Amino acid sequence: AQKITQTQPGMFVQEKEAVTLDCTYDTSDQSYGLFWYKQPSSGEMIFLIYQGSYDEQNATEGRYSLNFQKARKSANLVISASQLGDSAMYFCAMREANTGFQKLVFGTGTRLLVSP
Amino acid sequence: DAGITQSPRHKVTETGTPVTLRCHQTENHRYMYWYRQDPGHGLRLIHYSYGVKDTDKGEVSDGYSVSRSKTEDFLLTLESATSSQTSVYFCAISDVVGDTGELFFGEGSRLTVL
Repeated sequence: AQKITQTQPGMFVQEKEAVTLDCTYDTSDQSYGLFWYKQPSSGEMIFLIYQGSYDEQNATEGRYSLNFQKARKSANLVISASQLGDSAMYFCAMREANTGFQKLVFGTGTRLLVSP
Repeated sequence: DAGITQSPRHKVTETGTPVTLRCHQTENHRYMYWYRQDPGHGLRLIHYSYGVKDTDKGEVSDGYSVSRSKTEDFLLTLESATSSQTSVYFCAISDVVGDTGELFFGEGSRLTVL
């Protein structure tokens, strides 16, 4: 069974600094996808970034990058130059082998607080 | 923003009563999902649908049923609500868009079972 582990319940970072949110996963599939979602205090789920298991380069989206280490089964999210608006819950998620479905398995989340 | 509407957004009900949550999409996406979010558990899949009248169970389906009679609507029913079903429920949709298809979420429905 697939499993996502986020070991950091909470993280603190100062504005303009970089922060890394940890995510490890467990799967026996060779083909899978990894996602990061942001949930601000308003409650909506916002897609941030995606990494496919066969992608050779780490995914990047603006200030977000995914540090993908396949052998270690880790998919850490790196936020550069943190902003106050980055304060939110962050969820790592994994999709099963390509079926067309997006049946995601989520981690328990990391709450990030960005201070001025 | 993806056109996903959940209703009701907030509901308080009593143990033993039936509850139906509705998810309506205007994106014509094939796949629809219901997740629940609880502290310490992240989001967990309840049921999903891969077409009209085609549904399947997710990780935490006990006590829930779903129906999809039209592409745009996916209903989640709690036949007899229990306090353990107090949660925030998210509807999500997706379509087959290559390998990077993402889930688009509704705004969530907060259900309290007293």
